[in-house]
Amino acid sequence: DTGVSQDPRHKITKRGQNVTFRCDPISEHNRLYWYRQTLGQGPEFLTYFQNEAQLEKSRLLSDRFSAERPKGSFSTLEIQRTEQGDSAMYLCASSLASGPQYFGPGTRLTVL
Amino acid sequence: QQQVKQSPQSLIVQKGGISIINCAYENTAFDYFPWYQQFPGKGPALLIAIRPDVSEKKEGRFTISFNKSAKQFSLHIMDSQPGDSATYFCAASMESGANNLFFGTGTRLTVIP
Repeated sequence: DTGVSQDPRHKITKRGQNVTFRCDPISEHNRLYWYRQTLGQGPEFLTYFQNEAQLEKSRLLSDRFSAERPKGSFSTLEIQRTEQGDSAMYLCASSLASGPQYFGPGTRLTVL
Repeated sequence: QQQVKQSPQSLIVQKGGISIINCAYENTAFDYFPWYQQFPGKGPALLIAIRPDVSEKKEGRFTISFNKSAKQFSLHIMDSQPGDSATYFCAASMESGANNLFFGTGTRLTVIP
């Protein structure tokens, strides 16, 4: 399977804990995006990278959130001091510079 | 503020019928309009996309109609099948899709046999 992959698929954590998600994009794609999707809503943009450079961050990305793409390949999204409001599906997408975005299966986060 | 408005919220169609989902936008800088299909527990899958230099694009049973002056676009699913039952999202982006996507709120389609 050469699509976008995400790990883990599900994460249950207690409020106040830190969590980290990983995204592996389609191999030749230089752009990588993170979105958040809550139940019954469309995905909302969080941030995106071109190669290893983080080019844009949404105001939704509070200082508890940090994303990295150190070698321009896989990316990680870390949430520190999780809150119940962070419960959502976290989606990763990748694309070529001006091509369509292809999404991964997502990581479902539940904060208890 | 919702950048892309989508309707209806839910839609029930008989097998073989036509499903129509509508979207509207305000930002004239948008120049790329994709539609995604999402099944429960899965990520959105790209269905079809259009740029504002054409008024219609067809791929198989899926057609996008685009009205630039009205800032509206719609998805038509011909000969709807039970397997089409899913949530559909319209989206819009600037810079020919190289920028982040703004999604509508989704339409839950149910096709009954």
